[in-house]
Amino acid sequence: KNQVEQSPQSLIILEGKNCTLQCNYTVSPFSNLRWYKQDTGRGPVSLTIMTFSENTKSNGRYTATLDADTKQSSLHITASQLSDSASYICVVSAYNTDKLIFGTGTRLQVFP
Amino acid sequence: DAGITQSPRHKVTETGTPVTLRCHQTENHRYMYWYRQDPGHGLRLIHYSYGVKDTDKGEVSDGYSVSRSKTEDFLLTLESATSSQTSVYFCAISEYGAGGNNEQFFGPGTRLTVL
Repeated sequence: KNQVEQSPQSLIILEGKNCTLQCNYTVSPFSNLRWYKQDTGRGPVSLTIMTFSENTKSNGRYTATLDADTKQSSLHITASQLSDSASYICVVSAYNTDKLIFGTGTRLQVFP
Repeated sequence: DAGITQSPRHKVTETGTPVTLRCHQTENHRYMYWYRQDPGHGLRLIHYSYGVKDTDKGEVSDGYSVSRSKTEDFLLTLESATSSQTSVYFCAISEYGAGGNNEQFFGPGTRLTVL
């Protein structure tokens, strides 16, 4: 069964610190992996999309990595800010499908 | 929110009543999606559309129907609402579907409560 699992479920860090969120998937055949940020009460917003041939992609202070062999991805946030407080969702697409498979997200809270 | 609006944004209804949620886009994207988001679950696909009058079921389609008579509008109907359909509903759009580097943009969501 195609699944996406994220860890940790929740995370608390202090402003200015770095953190890394994890995503493991069993989706096959793999097409792409996305990371979304979802602020409370808002829709998800795309941070990065990586295909099979990409193993790292950055968007400002957000850097995503992908290991297609081990089916793992991580999202690294550098120098966290209060505005980084949100849920971060890992999403995987299988090849030749119009559907996305969503993880349950990691809830990040950044405190001053 | 990438030219996507959802209406209503909030709705409270009673069990057994019909409910229609509307998604409207100004991007002229071909693909439109309806998801629901519940605590402890990732977003789950209800139905999607790959063109005018072309729709297909997602993983949680029971109790829902959709229609797309124009490129810009995608309607989600709960024929007879149940308490299990209390959720936050998100519409999303994509120009070329879910493959490759194709972005999927999400609307602001509709919070539906069925009493």
